[in-house]
Amino acid sequence: DIVMTQSPDSLAVSPGERVTINCKSSQSVLHRSSNKNFLAWFQQKPGQPPNLLIYWASFRESGVPDRFSGSGSGTDFTLTISSLQAEDVAVYYCQQNYSGKTFGQGTKVEIK
Amino acid sequence: EVQLVESGGGLVQPGGSLRLSCAASGFTFSYYWMSWVRQAPGKGLEWVANIRPDGTEKSYVDSVKGRLTISRDNRKNSLYLEMNSLRAEDTALYYCVREDKHTFDVWGQGTMVTVSS
Repeated sequence: DIVMTQSPDSLAVSPGERVTINCKSSQSVLHRSSNKNFLAWFQQKPGQPPNLLIYWASFRESGVPDRFSGSGSGTDFTLTISSLQAEDVAVYYCQQNYSGKTFGQGTKVEIK
Repeated sequence: EVQLVESGGGLVQPGGSLRLSCAASGFTFSYYWMSWVRQAPGKGLEWVANIRPDGTEKSYVDSVKGRLTISRDNRKNSLYLEMNSLRAEDTALYYCVREDKHTFDVWGQGTMVTVSS
């Protein structure tokens, strides 16, 4: 199975500051025939189900604010929140769908 | 409105059985792969099983093979998870999830399964 490793495990950031979360897969999740990375990002707020933010590594889901962006290819990926808002406090997960379906361990984002 | 509503969770003894259901609405259920994803209390997310739109292909995480069975009824717009030989480590919130764009794009609110004596 592909292992997904996120860093850091948690971070505290002041409102308006930039947040960067990294995700590394144990093998490439680039589907060569489609040239798509089968990598997604989710946001989970307390007491709620996860919410899809980014799919195919960099495509923003409909309705997701444009302060959220995804980048990377192959084995290394990043979720960026350009300017943290209070409502962004949550746990963020990366997930691969290239071989099996596995999630990262999660990154908790808090307000400083 | 696209919606998934789970039911059937509860408290069950180790070795017991339970059947989870998921009612889908607001989209053409028969077009989509569907999955169950679980989350143990205070822990991360784990994909459990999925099923092809016509029900002919199913996949499972290794830890549940032979004990949990996914199925669907497209006439009833419903997804199921038959759970047998339950263990303490199966205790979790079970989410019914739609697959699209090679990920999970619609989630239900979840139904809690607790395995304890």
